[in-house]
Parts: sequence; structure tokens; C-alpha cells
Amino acid sequence: DAKTTQPPSMDCAEGRAANLPCNHSTISGNEYVYWYRQIHSQGPQYIIHGLKNNETNEMASLIITEDRKSSTLILPHATLRDTAVYYCIDRLGYSTLTFGKGTMLLVSP
Amino acid sequence: DAGVTQSPTHLIKTRGQQVTLRCSPKSGHDTVSWYQQALGQGPQFIFQYYEEEERQRGNFPDRFSGHQFPNYSSELNVNALLLGDSALYLCASSETGAAFNYGYTFGSGTRLTVV
Repeated sequence: DAKTTQPPSMDCAEGRAANLPCNHSTISGNEYVYWYRQIHSQGPQYIIHGLKNNETNEMASLIITEDRKSSTLILPHATLRDTAVYYCIDRLGYSTLTFGKGTMLLVSP
Repeated sequence: DAGVTQSPTHLIKTRGQQVTLRCSPKSGHDTVSWYQQALGQGPQFIFQYYEEEERQRGNFPDRFSGHQFPNYSSELNVNALLLGDSALYLCASSETGAAFNYGYTFGSGTRLTVV
């Protein structure tokens, strides 16, 4: 079963930042935080991952709190194409991915 | 460069029948994982193949079996289909040792409907 908790849905206006929260209440010290998203009728797509430090790539930024019990995925300038289900996952090493129900992000004009 | 290719895209089967789904991994990838995604749920891990062997398995009955070929492509077989097997079946590929940093590449899935 998934170990993370996410809100079922969020809304965001196009061009604004989308901040998606995730709770990792049982994360262990050597588990990484991964984020994937799934656009309708497609398979999940890797976005970003991190352990303790904040991370940024061309798609998004990841903020992890110091106690690692929560994280936030930031899409700095959301577009309509960012409408998708977003999953946060605690992953140990090379283990498989355990998905929860994720957050449905709706970006509106 | 083609990503992960799955076939067929849609399939309708009758309860009790058997089905075979196919997956071609992304070029350069040698590990294939299969996931089942019911409507409104996140994907659930079925099993993973590497070097033609099942390396890990999720909580799925023996009716679900698989195979990996020398060219790294893979098949998922489901016997004695139940109505509850209706779902989107996703294939994900990775390069051993690289999935940690670069994640898995997923196909668009096969939509299986059991009637």
C-alpha cells in the first residue's frame, strides 16, 4: 500500500505556480521522494526525485522539509498541458514504485 | 527514438478466457515491469523481469504470469479472466542501475475489458 498522503484534487490558474503537497509520515532515512505524473490516456511520467536537499530540473522544483515528513512539488508556471494526476512516492533504493491515488491537478485558462 | 511500445491498445475478452499483452522496451533498456491500473486508482505493481527471469513480484495471483525474451521485450499473460481484471495494463522499462536516477519509462498501456 502507498505510504504517502496527497489531497485528491487541486486547481490552478494557467501561468500561476502550482504547489502540490505530499505527506510522508512514515518515510525512512534512506528512502527517496519521487514524483510522477499521469496525463489522461498516457502512462506515468517521471518528474523529479530527492533525498534531503531541494531539487530543481527543467520540469519542476522539489522542496523537502527538514524532518522529511512532507514535500512540495512546484510547477512554476503551470500550463493547460500540466493537467494530470500527480503521484508522490517514497522509494527505497532500486525498489519498485508503489503508487497511491495521487492528486488530480486541473489547470484552467 | 521510440519509447515503450505496448500492444494491443484495447482488448475485449470474455470471462474465463486467457489474454496475452505485449511490450517492447525503450531502446537501451533491459528491465521490464508490469502494472495494473483500475479506474480511479494508481498503478499497482505486478512483476518485474530482468535477464529473462522474474526478479520481483507484487501481490497478484498465479493467474498472472510473464515472460521476457532475449531482445528484452516482454509478455504478460492472464489466465481464467475475471471481471475484476478489467483495467489499464502498463509496461515500464528501465536500464539496470539507471532507474534510480532517471526513473522508469512507461508505455501508454493496454486497456483490457472483461465481459
